[in-house]
Amino acid sequence: DAKTTQPTSMDCAEGRAANLPCNHSTISGNEYVYWYRQIHSQGPQYIIHGLKNNETNEMASLIITEDRKSSTLILPHATLRDTAVYYCIVRHNYGQNFVFGPGTRLSVLP
Amino acid sequence: EAGVTQFPSHSVIEKGQTVTLRCDPISGHDNLYWYRRVMGKEIKFLLHFVKESKQDESGMPNNRFLAERTGGTYSTLKVQPAELEDSGVYFCASSSFAVDTIYFGEGSWLTVV
Repeated sequence: DAKTTQPTSMDCAEGRAANLPCNHSTISGNEYVYWYRQIHSQGPQYIIHGLKNNETNEMASLIITEDRKSSTLILPHATLRDTAVYYCIVRHNYGQNFVFGPGTRLSVLP
Repeated sequence: EAGVTQFPSHSVIEKGQTVTLRCDPISGHDNLYWYRRVMGKEIKFLLHFVKESKQDESGMPNNRFLAERTGGTYSTLKVQPAELEDSGVYFCASSSFAVDTIYFGEGSWLTVV
């Protein structure tokens, strides 16, 4: 079973920030938080990951709470092409496989 | 640099036939994974290779599924004989131990009729 819980769906206006929450209250100290998305029927696309510090890359920012029991993925300026299912996954590093949950279906509206 | 490539992208076969899916991981990636999503369900892990060895095959549904990775490069996933419930999309993914982010291919769609 997935070790994360996410809202089933969210809407966001085009050009606004999309904030996607994820709860992972049972995360252990050496588990990372990964975010992926699946656009339409394409393969899951890596977005970002982190351990305890906040992370930012060209796609998004990841904010992890101090107790690491939850995190938020931020898409700073959502576009229509960001409409997708977003998956939050916790995982030990070094080769362990992913356990996917149902994710959050984000709809970016014009 | 090429990403994870999968072949065929789509396949339609009759129940009882055999299908072989191929995955070419990113060059230099020792970890290779197979996942699948059947209709209406979540993406599920099938198995994990480290080079040519099966590290974890706990997700393989039954003995009709056979995965190989000879030489530790590309991998094949054979379904024999195929059943209707095998229909879905099969994703391959790979990662290196140096930078352990998993990258997925576009998937192989399998329809069993």
